[in-house]
Amino acid sequence: GDSVTQMEGPVTLSEEAFLTINCTYTATGYPSLFWYVQYPGEGLQLLLKATKADDKGSNKGFEATYRKETTSFHLEKGSVQVSDSAVYFCALSDLGGKLIFGQGTELSVKP
Amino acid sequence: DVKVTQSSRYLVKRTGEKVFLECVQDMDHENMFWYRQDPGLGLRLIYFSYDVKMKEKGDIPEGYSVSREKKERFSLILESASTNQTSMYLCASSPVDRDSYEQYFGPGTRLTVT
Repeated sequence: GDSVTQMEGPVTLSEEAFLTINCTYTATGYPSLFWYVQYPGEGLQLLLKATKADDKGSNKGFEATYRKETTSFHLEKGSVQVSDSAVYFCALSDLGGKLIFGQGTELSVKP
Repeated sequence: DVKVTQSSRYLVKRTGEKVFLECVQDMDHENMFWYRQDPGLGLRLIYFSYDVKMKEKGDIPEGYSVSREKKERFSLILESASTNQTSMYLCASSPVDRDSYEQYFGPGTRLTVT
């Protein structure tokens, strides 16, 4: 079945460091891909998405490119801030319209 | 602004009690979902619904049931709460959009069963 694998956390970075969170997937067909973010004590918010191969999603300085050849959707940010501390979830949409989530990666940014 | 609301942010119940978690969306979305979130396990789908009075089992439906009497409301029911149902419960909704299936989430209900 469809699945999503994310790099394990927690990831701890200093402010202004470069961030990469790896995400790879297995899917039937051509799913849409998503990154969601969960700040402490809150629900999930959509961070960015890509609906077809080679699309780049971007928002708030974060970017991810839909790579069909490597079945990946890695999240990157050039300079993280303390306010980026959160849990990040990679997800794909299956043929029935459900989302399949990775296990989440906790990011902690220190000043 | 799109909105999904859940009836409680925090809930404490006793073992054996019947528990109702309510979710309401104001976006006229067809699809609604219930997940539970546990550390290290990510989000796991409990039940979902593509239309009023319609429901489908997700990956972990045991011990739960749902009700969708109106399009905007999707309720999760724990018939007899147990301690292993202590978790964060998240509700989501999405339109029928084959280009993305983007889901919108509520703030979550942290349920503790003692």
